[in-house]
Parts: sequence; C-alpha cells; structure tokens
Amino acid sequence: EPEVTQTPSHQVTQMGQEVILRCVPISNHLYFYWYRQILGQKVEFLVSFYNNEISEKSEIFDDQFSVERPDGSNFTLKIRSTKLEDSAMYFCASIQGQGTDTQYFGPGTRLTVL
Amino acid sequence: AQTVTQSQPEMSVQEAETVTLSCTYDTSESDYYLFWYKQPPSRQMILVIRQEAYKQQNATENRFSVNFQKAAKSFSLKISDSQLGDAAMYFCAYRNTGANSKLTFGKGITLSVRP
Repeated sequence: EPEVTQTPSHQVTQMGQEVILRCVPISNHLYFYWYRQILGQKVEFLVSFYNNEISEKSEIFDDQFSVERPDGSNFTLKIRSTKLEDSAMYFCASIQGQGTDTQYFGPGTRLTVL
Repeated sequence: AQTVTQSQPEMSVQEAETVTLSCTYDTSESDYYLFWYKQPPSRQMILVIRQEAYKQQNATENRFSVNFQKAAKSFSLKISDSQLGDAAMYFCAYRNTGANSKLTFGKGITLSVRP
C-alpha cells in the first residue's frame, strides 16, 4: 500500500541553524500539508500546498518557514533560523484531491533544537 | 473557525471491555468530515475511522464505531473488545469538504488498557 515517507526520522540542530525536513507524498496525491506537534500537545496545522503554491497557512507559519516542491516527488519544509520552541514532531500529509476526504500522514520527523 | 474539544485527558479500560472516547466540535458548516486518529508511542498518526457529516449512519470499522450526533455536534468513538494494542493517544479531528482543507485536531486523550 502506498504511504507517505519522511526523512530524517530525527534531526538535532543548534539554535539559529537552518533545517530542511523532507517528505515524499503518495504519488498520485495533489494536496500536501505540514503539521506540527509539540511534545504532549495537540497536532497543529502549519501549511497546505497545491499546484506549487501555498493554499493556506497558520499564524505559526511565519517568515522563518517555507515550503517547496522541488521536483515531482519531494515536498520540503524549511526552517531558516531554528528556535528552541521549534522543537516538535513535524508531520507531512497528503490527500488525493477533490472528492476524497482522508489525509494520509507520514511517520513524522522529530526536530530537536538545542 | 472550527474547534474540536476533547475534555477527557485520560481514560482507562480493562482488556476485552468497551470504552467510549468523547469529542465535540463547533462549526457553521453543514457538510464536513470527522476523524479519529490513533497515535501510539511511535507517534505515527494512524487513521482509525472517518465519518461524513451528510451520512446519518454511524461509521464502523471492525471493533471501532462512532456515535455521530450532528445536532449536538458530538462525535464519540467506541472501542469494543479492547486490546492491549489499543493503548495510545487518540485524536478527534475535523475537516471541511474543500479538497485542500486542513485538519483541526482536539487535544487528544490518552487511553490505557489494563490486562
């Protein structure tokens, strides 16, 4: 069964460094999402992406964040200058398109900012 | 804006017994989707069950079923014949029907299963 994959599974970085989290959505899916979950808290929406454009972003998704689909398979989340509070689990999700309802999640990337 | 509320932070159930996890939501939309996701210690988000608001019939998936009360904006999850592997965090989530609509999650409930 097709699945969303994410790399790395765990990323440790120093405060102020840039990180890129990578996702490979399911191949025939058209809509992509990033969510964040700070340890012990609920899952929060960051951004949605369709047709090479951001569709919607939350107030969390400030100028330090960016997303890109550099080729036909990868979907990346970049954090330019990480802060301690960026430490969280980051989930990528994808959905096929119109008429479908279920977002499929990747296994997540645990980001630790020291 | 839509909100999802899970007021019980923790629940416990005896193995083989039945447990119900509560969820309420708020929306002004008439059509939408509701979901329960399971998050085991690995922190993977696993879809348990989904419900389309325009369908009156409650969704069921094997031992998992929902009680969807649209007027009351309530969406509870019933787990029958609880198994040790059901122990996890469970999140209720809401989504509008637009193709690129985001999921809005509740705070989650930690379910423990006693052997």
